[in-house]
Amino acid sequence: GNSVTQMEGPVTLSEEAFLTINCTYTATGYPSLFWYVQYPGEGLQLLLKATKADDKGSNKGFEATYRKETTSFHLEKGSVQVSDSAVYFCAPGKLGGGADGLTFGKGTHLIIQP
Amino acid sequence: DGGITQSPKYLFRKEGQNVTLSCEQNLNHDAMYWYRQDPGQGLRLIYYSQIVNDFQKGDIAEGYSVSREKKESFPLTVTSAQKNPTAFYLCASSMGGGRDTQYFGPGTRLTVL
Repeated sequence: GNSVTQMEGPVTLSEEAFLTINCTYTATGYPSLFWYVQYPGEGLQLLLKATKADDKGSNKGFEATYRKETTSFHLEKGSVQVSDSAVYFCAPGKLGGGADGLTFGKGTHLIIQP
Repeated sequence: DGGITQSPKYLFRKEGQNVTLSCEQNLNHDAMYWYRQDPGQGLRLIYYSQIVNDFQKGDIAEGYSVSREKKESFPLTVTSAQKNPTAFYLCASSMGGGRDTQYFGPGTRLTVL
C-alpha cells in the first residue's frame, strides 16, 4: 500500500519567510498527489493537487511539483502570512477505480509569528 | 451551496453506549468515507463506500459500523466495542475514482466520559 513521510513540526517561521514542507511517498505506479490544510477545529480543505509527473499544483501562493524521480511532492510558499498557520497534510491517492481513500501523512503543524 | 455536513459538532457519550454520527452530502458524489483523527497520528480510514448499499472496511474498522441506504447519507456508529473512541471524526466524499479529490465535512469531536 501507499505510505507518506512528511516533516511533523511544529515548524515555526516569521511572517514573510520562505516555506518548504517536505513530503515523500511510496506508491504503486503514479498516483495523484494532494496537499490538504486543516485550520483549528475544522475539517480538511484541499489546498492543491497534481495528477501526473511534472505537474505543478498551485493555490493561494502555495506550490508543489510532482517529482516522480524522487517520489516527492514538497510544498512551498515564497512569503508566508500569519493566516497560513495550520496543519498541512500530504496525501497520495489510489490508482484505478478503487475509491478506498487517501493515504495521509501525520501532518505538519505550521506556526507563523508576526 | 453544495457541501458536506456533519452533526453534531461535539458529542459526549458514556462508556458502554453506542452513538451515531451523521454525514450528509449534496454533491452527488458516489463515494463516501469516514476517517478518525488523533493528535499526532494523522487521519486513518475507518470505512468507505463506493455506491449505495455497499461499503468496505478501512484500516481501523473494529468497533465501528456504517450503512449506506441513500447516496447522500453515510452515518457512522461508534459501538461500545470500540476501546478508545475519543477522537475527531471526519467524513469525506468524492466522485469515486482513486484520482479524485476528496471533500471533507467540518468534523465531529466525540468524547467518552
